Amino acid sequence: AQKVTQAQTEISVVEKEDVTLDCVYETRDTTYYLFWYKQPPSGELVFLIRRNSFDEQNEISGRYSWNFQKSTSSFNFTITASQVVDSAVYFCALHYGNNRLAFGKGNQVVVIP
Amino acid sequence: DAGITQSPRHKVTETGTPVTLRCHQTENHRYMYWYRQDPGHGLRLIHYSYGVKDTDKGEVSDGYSVSRSKTEDFLLTLESATSSQTSVYFCAISESLGQASYEQYFGPGTRLTVT
Repeated sequence: AQKVTQAQTEISVVEKEDVTLDCVYETRDTTYYLFWYKQPPSGELVFLIRRNSFDEQNEISGRYSWNFQKSTSSFNFTITASQVVDSAVYFCALHYGNNRLAFGKGNQVVVIP
Repeated sequence: DAGITQSPRHKVTETGTPVTLRCHQTENHRYMYWYRQDPGHGLRLIHYSYGVKDTDKGEVSDGYSVSRSKTEDFLLTLESATSSQTSVYFCAISESLGQASYEQYFGPGTRLTVT
């Protein structure tokens, strides 16, 4: 069965510090997709990235970067030089069966000015 | 931004009453989903649809039913609301081509309180 584990429930950092969010997944599929979403305090869910299992290149988008390692079944997310606007809940998700997503329970990131 | 609206955005209802939430999309995406979000549980799939009149259960479907008579609309019904169904409900849409999986885009959410 598909499962996504985000072990850190709440992470507090001081502004300008880096923060890394861990995502560990379980799947029996040989081809699969992983996603990260952001939910700011306003409540909407914002898509950040999609990564397929046959592309292990790390990705960087501005201050955000993602490290995908199939060997450890992890898809970790790093925010560099955090800002107050990064305060949000971040969800990792794994694609399974008929275009569905299994979500982790989320990481609450609090950036302290 | 994906064109997804949910109505109502907020609702307070009494235990035992029926409630219908509506999700409307303007993107013509094939897949539509209903999730609920509760503290400590993340997002959990209630029901989803993979085409008009094609629906299936998610992991927390008990007490809920859905209908999709048009591509653009996906309705979630609580036949007899209970306090345990107090939650924030999100609708999402997605497209899929062959074996590829594409991201889901979410509506703004509906906050439902059952008293």
